Amino acid sequence: SAVISQKPSRDICQRGTSLTIQCQVDSQVTMMFWYRQQPGQSLTLIATANQGSEATYESGFVIDKFPISRPNLTFSTLTVSNMSPEDSSIYLCSVDSDGIRSDGYTFGSGTRLTVV
Amino acid sequence: KNQVEQSPQSLIILEGKNCTLQCNYTVSPFSNLRWYKQDTGRGPVSLTIMTFSENTKSNGRYTATLDADTKQSSLHITASQLSDSASYICVVSARISGGYNKLIFGAGTRLAVHP
Repeated sequence: SAVISQKPSRDICQRGTSLTIQCQVDSQVTMMFWYRQQPGQSLTLIATANQGSEATYESGFVIDKFPISRPNLTFSTLTVSNMSPEDSSIYLCSVDSDGIRSDGYTFGSGTRLTVV
Repeated sequence: KNQVEQSPQSLIILEGKNCTLQCNYTVSPFSNLRWYKQDTGRGPVSLTIMTFSENTKSNGRYTATLDADTKQSSLHITASQLSDSASYICVVSARISGGYNKLIFGAGTRLAVHP
């Protein structure tokens, strides 16, 4: 399965600022996914990022708040913009090398964000 | 509505004991079911994945079962170790257009193994 390098692993940010999270995959993948995991809760999909097209956002998430880049098949970034304490969460990227295959999705190690 | 429900929410067991975690789902069209282990502050790590035709899958001390008729799955942990302390997440894939899967996550069971 793919290996994902996600960074930063954690950060403490001031409200009103922005943080960009990076995910690098060791192989080319069609789709990359960004998730948020709020304290004590399970994962919620933010958006799906395909290379060469606009990301597809889930209900409740908007591009102005969570802009995503997908410049090539091995890399993606998620920016958390104009942060507030409610954005304090773990953010994870995930890949499935081929949506039709039954291999398990692989997750990055996560970025633990604290907004103060 | 696609949903995945897990029970119990949390569980405390003594080291060396066995335990079983439950997952009920209403997901259609069903593609596969996965169990993940998530250590605190880390990303989930896949334990097992089962398709419709599989009813049991093992990974070391972890054994997952799937009953596609009743839409239930379980994860059995044998001879628990302190390192098993984590959240265990049941994730069901629904096949969507274009051949891709959408993942529906359970809320997880938080397992604590005490010495």
